[in-house]
Amino acid sequence: DIVMTQSPDSLAVSLGERATINCKSSQSVLYSSNNKNYLAWYQQKPGQPPKLLIYWASTRESGVPDRFSGSGSGTDFTLTVSSLQAEDVAVYYCQQYYTTPYTFGQGTKLEIK
Amino acid sequence: EVQLLESGGGMVQPGGSLRLSCAASGFNFNGYAMSWVRQAPGKGLEWVSGISVSGDTTYYADSVKGRFTISRDNSKNTLNLQMNSLRAEDTALYYCAKAVFSTGLFDNWGQGTLVTVSS
Repeated sequence: DIVMTQSPDSLAVSLGERATINCKSSQSVLYSSNNKNYLAWYQQKPGQPPKLLIYWASTRESGVPDRFSGSGSGTDFTLTVSSLQAEDVAVYYCQQYYTTPYTFGQGTKLEIK
Repeated sequence: EVQLLESGGGMVQPGGSLRLSCAASGFNFNGYAMSWVRQAPGKGLEWVSGISVSGDTTYYADSVKGRFTISRDNSKNTLNLQMNSLRAEDTALYYCAKAVFSTGLFDNWGQGTLVTVSS
């Protein structure tokens, strides 16, 4: 199984500042035939189901604010919130969909400092 | 608008069974793979099982293989999860998730149904 490891486990950032969450996979999730990274980011607010933010490592889902961006390739990925807003307080998960079993990172709790 | 409505959760004793269902609407159900993802109280997300568009291919996490069975009824736009030999560690909120076509990328999720396994 591909193990997804996020860092840090929690993060406190001031409003308007940048937040960066890292995700590392135990093996590459880059599919060579199409040069796509099978890596997604989800946001989960309390009492709500997860919401898809980013897929193919860097493509924003429709309706997601452009302050959210994803980067990385192979085994190392980053989710960046360029200017933290109060509504961004949530737990963020990375997920690989390269192969079953599909696996998630343990989650990173993002809070306001 | 895509809607996924899970049902069938509840409290069951260890060793018991439950059948979860997910009623889908707002999209062409028989054009998309589907999955179940669970979340134990206060914990992270765990993919449980997935099923292909036609239903002829199924996938399971090792933790549930041999105990859970996923199925779908494309005529009724319904996804099911038969859970047998339930254990305390199966206690979780179970989400129904719609995949982006036949991938393991999930673009829509239900609100979840809670399964509690306890004596």
